[in-house]
This record gives sequence, structure tokens and C-alpha cells, in this order.
Amino acid sequence: EIVLTQSPGTLSLSPGERATLSCRASQSVSSNYLAWYQQKPGQAPRLLISGASSRATGIPDRFSGSGSGTDFTLTISRLEPEDFAVYYCQQYGSPPQTFGQGTKVEIK
Amino acid sequence: EVQLVESGGGLAQPGGSLRLSCAASGFTFSSNAINWVRQAPGKGLEWVSRISSGGGSTYYADSVKGRFTISRDNSKNTVYLQMNNLRAEDTAVYYCAKRAVAGLWYYDLWGRGTLVTVSS
Repeated sequence: EIVLTQSPGTLSLSPGERATLSCRASQSVSSNYLAWYQQKPGQAPRLLISGASSRATGIPDRFSGSGSGTDFTLTISRLEPEDFAVYYCQQYGSPPQTFGQGTKVEIK
Repeated sequence: EVQLVESGGGLAQPGGSLRLSCAASGFTFSSNAINWVRQAPGKGLEWVSRISSGGGSTYYADSVKGRFTISRDNSKNTVYLQMNNLRAEDTAVYYCAKRAVAGLWYYDLWGRGTLVTVSS
């Protein structure tokens, strides 16, 4: 199965700053079938990005996804207070689908 | 309102059983495959199982194969996860999730989850 490694484990930033989150796959992700989710404490994950770069409905344009093959990035251009959360990547190109271990974006 | 609501979690002993339910509303349930994804305390997400829209096809993660059974009742808009021979490592919040696009396994609708604790 494809192992996804997210880095860093924790990102300490201030509101208004730019956040760059990495997701690296152990092998190429078929058709760049990679999604990003946001999860806040006590809540279910929320879909942000699919197909590596397509924003889900209702997701603000400060969230953007990029990358291909084995290296993917989620960028939050200017952090808003509600963006402090844990972010997960998921590959769905090769069964079984797998998730990364998450990156926590915390307030500095 | 479009939603998924899980129930049935609780405390079980090692070797015991629990049955989780996932009730759907607000969308055409019978046209959608449903998945279970779990999250152990302080850990990441792990796909567990899925069932096709009609119930004829089921899939399991290796970690639960032979112990968990997924089923659905489209007349009740509900998916079930029967969990037998539970282990401590099955302790997690269990979410049901609907895929966003037919044929692609990423999820645009999740329930709030139900906590399963396996402990003596």
C-alpha cells in the first residue's frame, strides 16, 4: 500500500502568515488522486481539495493544492483564526486508500 | 439536511462485539456507496470498510478482514458495521463517509463519529 508522510508534524504560525504543508507518497499517486482534509477537535474531517488541486465546494480560495507524482503541497495563503486545525492528505488512486498522519497548524 | 449520523459505539471487552449504525438523510442513499473510516485516539485516519450502493460488493482493510462485516438496509437509509472479536487496537472513533464522486474514493460528507472503546 502507498504510505503518505506529512511534514512537518506541527506548524506554529501567526494569523495572516502563509502555511505550507507537505505530503509525500511512497510511490506515485495514480492520476494525482490526492485529497486534503481539515479536522478540528471533536469534529469530522472536512474536504478541502481533491485531485491534488481542485477546491471543494465552498472552500475559500486562500486554500490551494499543488503537486504531482509523489510530492504534494497544501498552501494556505493567509491564515485565518478558523484555519488552525489538523490537516490530512489522502490518496485514492491505488487501493487501499490511505491517509497521512496529519499536520497540526497551531497558533504561534 | 444532508447528513450522516453514527450510533452504537461504546465499551466492549476484548473478544466482544458491537454493531455500529450509520443513518443517512438528505440525499439519495440507495445510489451511494458508504465507507467506514476510523481514528484511534490521537492518531490519523484509517479506512476500514465500504459497501456498494446496492450492497452486493463489500471491501475491508486487512486489519479487520474476517472480524468486521458491513451491510446496509436501503429501506431504512442505514449502513451497519458488525464488529466481532474486538481487540484493543480497534479502539477509535468510527466515522461513516459518503464519496463525493462516483468511482472515486474521497469523501464530501462525514458523520460526527461514534467512539468504540475496547478494554477489560
